[in-house]
Amino acid sequence: NAGVMQNPRHLVRRRGQEARLRCSPMKGHSHVYWYRQLPEEGLKFMVYLQKENIIDESGMPKERFSAEFPKEGPSILRIQQVVRGDSAAYFCASSPPLAGATDTQYFGPGTRLTVL
Amino acid sequence: GIQVEQSPPDLILQEGANSTLRCNFSDSVNNLQWFHQNPWGQLINLFYIPSGTKQNGRLSATTVATERYSLLYISSSQTTDSGVYFCAVEGNAGKSTFGDGTTLTVKP
Repeated sequence: NAGVMQNPRHLVRRRGQEARLRCSPMKGHSHVYWYRQLPEEGLKFMVYLQKENIIDESGMPKERFSAEFPKEGPSILRIQQVVRGDSAAYFCASSPPLAGATDTQYFGPGTRLTVL
Repeated sequence: GIQVEQSPPDLILQEGANSTLRCNFSDSVNNLQWFHQNPWGQLINLFYIPSGTKQNGRLSATTVATERYSLLYISSSQTTDSGVYFCAVEGNAGKSTFGDGTTLTVKP
């Protein structure tokens, strides 16, 4: 069973461009979480999605950021008109469908976004 | 939301020494995980430990849920143990809240 996969692993964008980060959860997992780690800081929650639904987006910036998890295909975190402050590592995690108890989240290797 | 506090923020050890890292949290949680982020940025899950004690080789962890803290023990530390250790707790909402981490440096 392959782990959580993220691509690209490294992404360089110029200010004003769009960044699209992809996350393929572990097989059988239907919950996806996105976290951002700014340089020298811990991880901060951004958004929690299930298939075709956003469950909690309380950590998402109000503008330029969006996330989706379609019925087919990976989850996408999109950042429009990137700025230098968006430079960070973006981690995705997945967990299986809840069955009366929470499950551990499995983290991907992260995408390191650099905005020039 | 839940507050997570880790201590100490930085720790420097000589190879072979033992250490204890602490994680305090402000509310009851459904889940608690310890992670190691290596110098290359990879996040490695060490323990899923909402309560009780677990051991894995030189590492062990104890969570006392009623007192809202968890401890990570590293024995006979090695240089490869260097990196940042994060505690992450999960409340009712599904998302995880991370502490700011403990940066461990093990010197040869």
